Amino acid sequence: AQRVTQPEKLLSVFKGAPVELKCNYSYSGSPELFWYVQYSRQRLQLLLRHISRESIKGFTADLNKGETSFHLKKPFAQEEDSAMYYCALKRGQAGTALIFGKGTTLSVSS
Amino acid sequence: DAGVTQSPTHLIKTRGQQVTLRCSPKSGHDTVSWYQQALGQGPQFIFQYYEEEERQRGNFPDRFSGHQFPNYSSELNVNALLLGDSALYLCASSLRTGTWDTEAFFGQGTRLTVV
Repeated sequence: AQRVTQPEKLLSVFKGAPVELKCNYSYSGSPELFWYVQYSRQRLQLLLRHISRESIKGFTADLNKGETSFHLKKPFAQEEDSAMYYCALKRGQAGTALIFGKGTTLSVSS
Repeated sequence: DAGVTQSPTHLIKTRGQQVTLRCSPKSGHDTVSWYQQALGQGPQFIFQYYEEEERQRGNFPDRFSGHQFPNYSSELNVNALLLGDSALYLCASSLRTGTWDTEAFFGQGTRLTVV
């Protein structure tokens, strides 16, 4: 079965500190992995897609197939990064659903 | 482009009633997916519509049904509402391009409360 696990419900850091939001998945095939973000009172939006290998707002994520992980990292957190972050998995073909983790709330304080 | 729009934004229904939620996809998108997000949980996939047919379904009972219209807009219907159906219902749209999908864009959601 496909499953996404985000072990931390809440991560609190100080501004300027490094951030790592953990995501582990279970899927036997070749998945697509995503990070979605939801800022306060805004809609869910795509932050990163592993196949694009981009860095968005200073965030990066590397797919580790050996450890079945897709952790989200940022070297220096900003207060505007405070939001809910969801890791999601999708089978690597058209017309398949996104499977979401339960989400991690990131709180960045000064 | 208004992006994905959902209506209504909030809804209160009584147990046993029926409800219809609506979604207009982002311009140029042809695929609509519906998700249920209970409080404190991540979105859970309900079903997906493409070319006016249900193409994939998650682990939801037959009380949940849908429809896609020729203009790609979609409806989610829930019959015989239960208290446990109270949740945020999200619509996402994307474009199917052969063997892969473009980025999924989400609407603001409809908050359904069953009393």
